[in-house]
Amino acid sequence: GAGVSQSPSNKVTEKGKDVELRCDPISGHTALYWYRQSLGQGLEFLIYFQGNSAPDKSGLPSDRFSAERTGGSVSTLTIQRTQQEDSAVYLCASSLRLSSSGFHYEQYFGPGTRLTVT
Amino acid sequence: KNQVEQSPQSLIILEGKNCTLQCNYTVSPFSNLRWYKQDTGRGPVSLTIMTFSENTKSNGRYTATLDADTKQSSLHITASQLSDSASYICVVTRPSGNTPLVFGKGTRLSVIA
Repeated sequence: GAGVSQSPSNKVTEKGKDVELRCDPISGHTALYWYRQSLGQGLEFLIYFQGNSAPDKSGLPSDRFSAERTGGSVSTLTIQRTQQEDSAVYLCASSLRLSSSGFHYEQYFGPGTRLTVT
Repeated sequence: KNQVEQSPQSLIILEGKNCTLQCNYTVSPFSNLRWYKQDTGRGPVSLTIMTFSENTKSNGRYTATLDADTKQSSLHITASQLSDSASYICVVTRPSGNTPLVFGKGTRLSVIA
């Protein structure tokens, strides 16, 4: 596609329910990133993938959060037993690749998924 | 602790005027520093990427500077336009570590007529 797409654009869920957020990166981009942006706050880095593997998952806020990426393309961020503090905009970004020296190339962001937990 | 601090938190300027946004960081090791523009309700869009050896980089009316010794960066906007109204986010990238990208909270710029 032309850019990074995310779905759904908006999600309202009841406290305690599980949600799945989807990210379709730009074709050919091997690195994929998930961020969270709470109202009035800066972006919080959650996790990144190089291909299908996530080198480090320590950025995830709790064990209720998990992410996977299959086929080196689409990624899903799952939040189990949602809490009200999970309400935020979840942004996904992709970039060409991660260099061997650890350089993160320019990232292209999707429009985000606005999650509201009631 | 790896942190990125931006100032001011918010700024209002008249159309046509110039402004400078500041970014101080304590991130180590350092790979590169980026400035993003985020319009309301949209994802951030990259403005500049600067490596350790670069002191200044321009992108149209945007000019970013980097002083790696003092760990400071600035983003200068010339002849502001109404469309410049957005949040400007400073991001420092690390080559390794648990948190490869450290974000500032952004400066909210409002350009008024």
